[in-house]
Formats: sequence, structure tokens, C-alpha cells
Amino acid sequence: EVQLVESGGGLVQPGGSLRLSCAASGFTFGSYWMHWVRQVPGKGLVWVSRINTDGSSTSYADSVKGRFTIARDNARNVLYLQLSSLRVEDSAVYYCARSFCRGNNCHADYFQHWGQGTLVTVSS
Amino acid sequence: EIVLTQSPATVSVSPGERATLSCRASNSISNNLAWYQQKPGQAPTLLIDDATNRATGVPARFSGSGSGTDFTLTINSLEPEDFAVYYCQQRDIWPPTFGPGTKVDVK
Repeated sequence: EVQLVESGGGLVQPGGSLRLSCAASGFTFGSYWMHWVRQVPGKGLVWVSRINTDGSSTSYADSVKGRFTIARDNARNVLYLQLSSLRVEDSAVYYCARSFCRGNNCHADYFQHWGQGTLVTVSS
Repeated sequence: EIVLTQSPATVSVSPGERATLSCRASNSISNNLAWYQQKPGQAPTLLIDDATNRATGVPARFSGSGSGTDFTLTINSLEPEDFAVYYCQQRDIWPPTFGPGTKVDVK
């Protein structure tokens, strides 16, 4: 069974930093592109960042570019998101999500499995 | 960036009835569209990929159609567990984007 378990959320002041983790199990972690998606409670879903299978390629939403850093440790099956220079508008539930494969048909940018999310609150 | 518009924002349906949800893209995205279901307090789950393919374990009462700019998610014979928010998402044009969601609630 695929499991994604996020941790690391919490309350942080504007300008502060936080590191989110996503522990993966039940699949070959190093074979899948991984994503972070966030959601303000009661609002919609917003894609944040993506990393390829070996970590050599990363992408970010414009709203977080230069402030957030995605990384992965394939030996430990963990995905990370380093959040820096945090703003009030970064407050949200952050989900990690695994890309999609059905047999040999894989699409990097669909989200087939999701973690339960971790809440980040940026407030003074 | 592709903007996805979902309508209606809320649809009220009685159990056993059909719900029809719409997703419109600001430019053609071929069939590169997915649908997700999200229940309160839970993460989203993938329902449909590539506009028409049901994900593993998704009941046959869920069906997707459309291509280009206009897409539809149809839920036949609504069950109590189907009352939720549904999001469409495109992967055709970078970055991936989501629609604002349609809430299906009990009439």
C-alpha cells in the first residue's frame, strides 16, 4: 500500500523558515517524480513544486520561486520542502503527492497518491 | 498559464440522482485532464486521468468525457459517500493548474 506521511508543519513568524518532510513507503520511491501541493483551508488546490526521480531537476510555482527548495533522499525514501522567507500568504496545508503510473503509462504531472498533509501557519 | 473554470460552484443533488460537473480550460489541453475528489478533512484522491480513464478502484458510476477545452465529470446514482468537492487539473501546459472546485451537496 502506498503511504505518504508529511511532517514538519507548525507555527512560524513571517520571515522564518521551516522544513517539511514526506516519508514514502509501499512503492519504489526513486522511480517517481514527486510534488508538493498546498491548500488554504476551505480554498482550492495550488501546485507548489516538483522534483524528478534523481533530484537533478526541480520546478517551482512563481509564488515560491527563490524561497522554497524541494529535495529528496532516495536512500531514505523521503521528500523535503525547505520553506524560507515565509509570508502570511504561505499559510496552508501542504500535501506531498506522487506522480502517476498505470503499468508503463506514466505522467509526471498527475497526482496519483497524496499524503494527509501538514499545516503551516505563518503569523506574528 | 492555463486557467480552469469549473461550474457550477455548488450543485445540490439527491442520493440516487445524477450530477454533472463541468470544467473549461482557457486554451486547448487535448485530453490532459484529471479529476479529483476531496472529502472534508481529507486529502484529494484521483478519480479520472486523461479525461476519461477511471483510476484504480473508482466505481463505474464515475465517468469523464471531453477534450480540448470542455470536460465533464458525471456521477450516476449518487451514493452518500460521493458528496464532496471535485477538482479538475490539467497537465498539458506548464505549470499544472487546478480548477476552483465544485461542491456536490445533498439536496
